[in-house]
Amino acid sequence: QSALTQPASVSGSLGQSITISCTGTSSDVGSYDVVSWYQQHPGKVPKLLIYEVNKRPSGVSNRFSGSKSGNTASLTISGLQTDDEADYYCCSFVGPTTFHVVFGGGTKLTVL
Amino acid sequence: QVQLQESGPGLVKPSETLSLTCTVSGGSMNSFYWSWIRQPPGKGLEWIGHVYSTGSTNHNPSLQSRVSISADMSKNQFSLRLSSVTAADTAVYYCARDRGFCTRTSCYPIGAFDAWGQGTLVTVSS
Repeated sequence: QSALTQPASVSGSLGQSITISCTGTSSDVGSYDVVSWYQQHPGKVPKLLIYEVNKRPSGVSNRFSGSKSGNTASLTISGLQTDDEADYYCCSFVGPTTFHVVFGGGTKLTVL
Repeated sequence: QVQLQESGPGLVKPSETLSLTCTVSGGSMNSFYWSWIRQPPGKGLEWIGHVYSTGSTNHNPSLQSRVSISADMSKNQFSLRLSSVTAADTAVYYCARDRGFCTRTSCYPIGAFDAWGQGTLVTVSS
């Protein structure tokens, strides 16, 4: 299975909004509404931000939102803050019979 | 609140078998998928495989022939064995719980890892 495709890096200014894309195939992102997104600061454990495309776990800021169109999922971060500077990963179920999971390659967000 | 803790050797020799155990506390292992995920230094996350509470397992095809994952529900633990390791297997290894998606008849892994261990660095070196 191939990793989901994410841009290597994105940047945005304080207070602005950015979007990170995650492109898969009809075997994963395109067929199932179960894309998740993670934030990872250097040396830290990944944190679940979004699951099932657009759901936020309790405690995650509503500045983080998710969406999907076709084989591409997106994470939007609004009102950028300095603490948003981190690596972001998408993840999806791979079906229909494999019951696998696949991550994206990760995107480094720089807040200017 | 469920907590996970990895344990095992931090140094493994090339060609030997890497063995890690994840102990789950503060919650039941029932009806969840329990995964191993790794991250080589400076690189991204890679899903290794998971075990469901029934004992069924699935593995990343790129590692499948070398990976074995099992669970001991009586001890609230699940384990990873990765054979014939090389330097490329040097990574931080995480255990994690997939919150999954359940219908009336089945539960599915969805890659929504809502609880993680702190991670353990395993170095492959002679």
